[in-house]
Amino acid sequence: NAGVMQNPRHLVRRRGQEARLRCSPMKGHSHVYWYRQLPEEGLKFMVYLQKENIIDESGMPKERFSAEFPKEGPSILRIQQVVRGDSAAYFCASSPYYPGTRNTGELFFGEGSRLTVL
Amino acid sequence: DQQVKQNSPSLSVQEGRISILNCDYTNSMFDYFLWYKKYPAEGPTFLISISSIKDKNEDGRFTVFLNKSAKHLSLHIAPSQPGDSAVYFCAAISNAGNNRKLIWGLGTSLAVNP
Repeated sequence: NAGVMQNPRHLVRRRGQEARLRCSPMKGHSHVYWYRQLPEEGLKFMVYLQKENIIDESGMPKERFSAEFPKEGPSILRIQQVVRGDSAAYFCASSPYYPGTRNTGELFFGEGSRLTVL
Repeated sequence: DQQVKQNSPSLSVQEGRISILNCDYTNSMFDYFLWYKKYPAEGPTFLISISSIKDKNEDGRFTVFLNKSAKHLSLHIAPSQPGDSAVYFCAAISNAGNNRKLIWGLGTSLAVNP
């Protein structure tokens, strides 16, 4: 399966613990995006990364959240000291192109990681 | 500030009829628009797109219309099928600046009734 792979699909954490969500983009894709969908809300952009670089993190909360996309391995979204408000579905998407080039902004999404904070 | 607005949170249509999902935007720098479809517990999947130099794009049962003067686009699904029941997101890209990220609407939940 050459699609975007996210794991874990479901993650339960207690308040104060850390959550790590992983995303392996499609083969050949070097652009990764993280989105969050809160209950009853739409998709909210969090961060856009290329290999080893954070390009745009304007949607990331200033504290407790961080993201990386190392040269080797998956992209990681890390949430420290989770709170109940962090409970959401976190979607990763990848693209082979810089947004808007080749006349397409199409992103390929993973199935999401659902975080529940108790 | 919601630059891409989908003002109808939900829509219900009879099977075989046409579904029309609407999207309005405020940023005149947007030059490419996309529709994504999302089933519960799955990630969004790309459906159809349109460049700002066009006013219509068609792909099978799906047609997107763009009215730049009104800053409005719509997705038509004809005929609608029960399997089309999903949340539909409108998204746009701006040609301004170096960072061309997608700006998303909040989605419209479509229910196609048999």
